[in-house]
Amino acid sequence: SQQGEEDPQALSIQEGENATMNCSYKTSINNLQWYRQNSGRGLVHLILIRSNEREKHSGRLRVTLDTSKKSSSLLITASRAADTASYFCATVLPDTGRRALTFGSGTRLQVQP
Amino acid sequence: GAVVSQHPSWVICKSGTSVKIECRSLDFQATTMFWYRQFPKQSLMLMATSNEGSKATYEQGVEKDKFLINHASLTLSTLTVTSAHPEDSSFYICSARARDRLNTEAFFGQGTRLTVV
Repeated sequence: SQQGEEDPQALSIQEGENATMNCSYKTSINNLQWYRQNSGRGLVHLILIRSNEREKHSGRLRVTLDTSKKSSSLLITASRAADTASYFCATVLPDTGRRALTFGSGTRLQVQP
Repeated sequence: GAVVSQHPSWVICKSGTSVKIECRSLDFQATTMFWYRQFPKQSLMLMATSNEGSKATYEQGVEKDKFLINHASLTLSTLTVTSAHPEDSSFYICSARARDRLNTEAFFGQGTRLTVV
């Protein structure tokens, strides 16, 4: 089962604009992770934010986490055509003991050159 | 980051045949690997957790006799789709976590596109 939902489901922007994707989850977490998937490929880890962190940066990426609202956002600044991909948030369901990641529904980002 | 190699990247098979997909962690030991399935424009759905030296743990609704998982070593897990049918056509992705880093990021194979005709 999926941990939560992401919105928007699809986002189309022009190169240079910022892209914001939101993720909501249902259970308590130790951390939340964001991954990127190019079409027909595997996933690449982008950034991990721990439950005691509120904001984290990595290059052009900015992630926020609001545990009271069980939500996170991923901001990509100054987008490039190469940022075109699907983006997923993921968490580990607590108390499963298996450490499998559960993914949100994903946001398909299209950056127009 | 660590490397996970998945093979083959795509396969076409006839209905009724079996297909084996391999997932290898190349530069780290993975006591646990995970198999996901992804339909077009959808998210990844966990199928099963592969444990080295023991039986896999399957998610609800996943037939263990149809999707055979073997995790014979700390660097290799295999998923065999037995008696494949067109509805099994999908994108299968494996994932692994380093044995000493179970609470951090996961590393993914490049995926296998299975088409059953």
